[in-house]
Amino acid sequence: GNSVTQMEGPVTLSEEAFLTINCTYTATGYPSLFWYVQYPGEGLQLLLKATKADDKGSNKGFEATYRKETTSFHLEKGSVQVSDSAVYFCALTPYNNNDMRFGAGTRLTVKP
Amino acid sequence: GAVVSQHPSWVICKSGTSVKIECRSLDFQATTMFWYRQFPKQSLMLMATSNEGSKATYEQGVEKDKFLINHASLTLSTLTVTSAHPEDSSFYICSARVPGNNEQFFGPGTRLTVL
Repeated sequence: GNSVTQMEGPVTLSEEAFLTINCTYTATGYPSLFWYVQYPGEGLQLLLKATKADDKGSNKGFEATYRKETTSFHLEKGSVQVSDSAVYFCALTPYNNNDMRFGAGTRLTVKP
Repeated sequence: GAVVSQHPSWVICKSGTSVKIECRSLDFQATTMFWYRQFPKQSLMLMATSNEGSKATYEQGVEKDKFLINHASLTLSTLTVTSAHPEDSSFYICSARVPGNNEQFFGPGTRLTVL
């Protein structure tokens, strides 16, 4: 079946550190891949997405590249800020249906 | 961009009562909406898929008589938690799919606390 596995946290970094949150997936065909961010007490916000192999999604300094050969969609940011502290979810939808599957979420805390 | 709202944002109720949560797509028509449940510090669990004008499709293990879903219009889906108990306390999040696009837009969530 379709599933997402992401690096479990929590992750604690100092401000301006480099961030990587690993995400790998299992799916048939060509799924669309997403990263969502959830701030405390709020719903999910789409951070970035990629719909086909080798696509790079980017937003607010975050990037992730759709790697079909390694079935991965790792999230990266070169210099994190305190305001990036949140929970990050990797997700996929198969190309032929609505079913969205989420990873377990990774809690990021950035300290000044 | 597509905006999804939920109402209420939080609710506290007594055990045994029913609670209705609304999910609205504000600037687009959503033929399909989804309801998720999120326990503290955990991921989202899909509860059901709501299609306008038809019965909802529930995920395995989700009681359809406990969690009543109605999708009466292209912009509104409701989730009613019937005879709520403390174990139903959770964060409920809805999402809506833009027609022709497999991306989902999420509401801000509703925190339910059952005393």
